[in-house]
Formats: sequence, C-alpha cells, structure tokens
Amino acid sequence: GQNIDQPTEMTATEGAIVQINCTYQTSGFNGLFWYQQHAGEAPTFLSYNVLDGLEEKGRFSSFLSRSKGYSYLLLKELQMKDSASYLCAVHSAGGGSYIPTFGRGTSLIVHP
Amino acid sequence: ETGVTQTPRHLVMGMTNKKSLKCEQHLGHNAMYWYKQSAKKPLELMFVYNFKEQTENNSVPSRFSPECPNSSHLFLHLHTLQPEDSALYLCASSQVGDSEGYTFGSGTRLTVV
Repeated sequence: GQNIDQPTEMTATEGAIVQINCTYQTSGFNGLFWYQQHAGEAPTFLSYNVLDGLEEKGRFSSFLSRSKGYSYLLLKELQMKDSASYLCAVHSAGGGSYIPTFGRGTSLIVHP
Repeated sequence: ETGVTQTPRHLVMGMTNKKSLKCEQHLGHNAMYWYKQSAKKPLELMFVYNFKEQTENNSVPSRFSPECPNSSHLFLHLHTLQPEDSALYLCASSQVGDSEGYTFGSGTRLTVV
C-alpha cells in the first residue's frame, strides 16, 4: 500500500516564504507531483520530481529525497491568490499500470 | 475545445435514479481516470483506463460503472446511489510516461438525496 502524509493546514503572511512538506511510503516509486486546488475548482499541475534535488519554477520550487521518502513545495513572495489547497501525489508503477495516489492536501491561508 | 471537459457541472439525483457523468479530453492522452473528492478526505482513485482498457478498479461499489468507448471519452454510470456518495467527481487524463502530470476536468458536484 501507499501512505502519504502532509500537514492539514498552514498560514502565512503575504510576501513571505512557506514550505509545505510531504512524506510518503510506497513501492515502485515513479515520481512525485504537486498540485494546487482552489476552492470549488479542479487541481492544477505545479511540479514533478522523479530524481533527487530541487526543481524551480518561478516563485514555486519542489524538492525530492527518494531515500527519505520526502518532498517539499516552497512558495516564495506569497500572494493572496496563493491561498489554496496543495496536494502531494505519488506515482507508482504496479501491475503494468501507473497508480497515482494523493495526500489529503494542505490548506494554505495567506493573510495580509 | 481544449483540455478536459466534464458534464454536468452539478447533479442532484434520488437514490433510485440512474444518471451518467461524462468526461471528454482533447489532449491526445492515452490514460483517463475517475476520482472522488469528499470533504476532508484525500482524492480517492476510482478507476483507471490505459489505452481504453480498464487497468484499475479501486474496490469501488458496483453502483458505479465506468465506460470508456474510446481514448477521448470516459463515462461514469450511476445507479441506486447512497447519500454518502455525494461528492465532487473529477475526471483526469494523462500521457503515460509524461512528466506533465494529470489534467483534471472541473468536476461534477453530485448530491444524492
């Protein structure tokens, strides 16, 4: 089975930096995704890590350590519109098909 | 049209009704998925179709019946649902082996009364 753990809720101030952690246990690891989901909307793709290290995309960066089963999403220069749920998803290969499993999501509240 | 389109956006149905959710993707992807999203719970994978073939059925009750007539269309047929089945049902597509992740539709907000 798979187990994905991330904090339920975080708060931060506009303009600050926030790090959202995700730990996972899985077999056949084949990549880790981060998604952003605003209330009432569909999740949208943010980042993908399959090798160890940091991937940077503008204000957002994502880090992966496969040996530790650990990832984080780093959001810089926070804006009010960044208030959303952030979903960590692990991709694993099993039985010839690719199985995506999501964590519960971290609700980020950005306040002025 | 582009992306992943789901219809209807909202659906209210009685426990004895039969209805279907529709999903269409215009991205040329070869895999499609149904997810259930309930309040305070993680996205739950329901069904996976790779190249039109169902490869995963995540212990979903038989009152949910998927259909994938081709690689662009996916249906979820609903029959004799329970109030606890009320949730947001999300369709997603992906290209297996692609690093761009899944593209989700806007979902169908289902309420069972």
